[in-house]
Amino acid sequence: SQQGEEDPQALSIQEGENATMNCSYKTSINNLQWYRQNSGRGLVHLILIRSNEREKHSGRLRVTLDTSKKSSSLLITASRAADTASYFCATVGGSNYKLTFGKGTLLTVNP
Amino acid sequence: DTEVTQTPKHLVMGMTNKKSLKCEQHMGHRAMYWYKQKAKKPPELMFVYSYEKLSINESVPSRFSPECPNSSLLNLHLHALQPEDSALYLCASSTSQGTETQYFGPGTRLLVL
Repeated sequence: SQQGEEDPQALSIQEGENATMNCSYKTSINNLQWYRQNSGRGLVHLILIRSNEREKHSGRLRVTLDTSKKSSSLLITASRAADTASYFCATVGGSNYKLTFGKGTLLTVNP
Repeated sequence: DTEVTQTPKHLVMGMTNKKSLKCEQHMGHRAMYWYKQKAKKPPELMFVYSYEKLSINESVPSRFSPECPNSSLLNLHLHALQPEDSALYLCASSTSQGTETQYFGPGTRLLVL
């Protein structure tokens, strides 16, 4: 069963705007990762944040993690049409360290 | 080289056919994974190989048979599949099982008739 739940399920914005996606999870984690998937093809790793970290940046991406609320957010600043994709959060936890994906957010950036 | 390759890109097979999906990586990763992804759903883990040994089988039906011939190759043998097995099959690899970033291949889109 999925560990993470993304919110919103779909998001449509204009180029240049910021996009924020949220992820909630249920059990304790080792780390949380965000992936992007274009048009039903392979996933691309965006960023990994460990359970003892609160915020990470990578280029136009900013990820926060609140372990007390079991939630994370992904902020994409100054969005581009090329950012149009599905975004998944994925948690790693438990004794076998499986990567478990949330349901995903479909982001559409309109030119 | 940070690429995971998968062949074929597309596969159409009948329910009585036997086919294989192939995955290859040359990053020296010692963990490799198979995922199944249905349309508009997240990937679901099927199998994990760690150091060429099957580490996790997520109760996958026996009509799916994984094989790891060496540290760079991962196969998924398919036999007597059902139409509901039609999906995108993704291969991934990581430095080691568990906490590391996973690198995904482009997937094989499978249609079972």
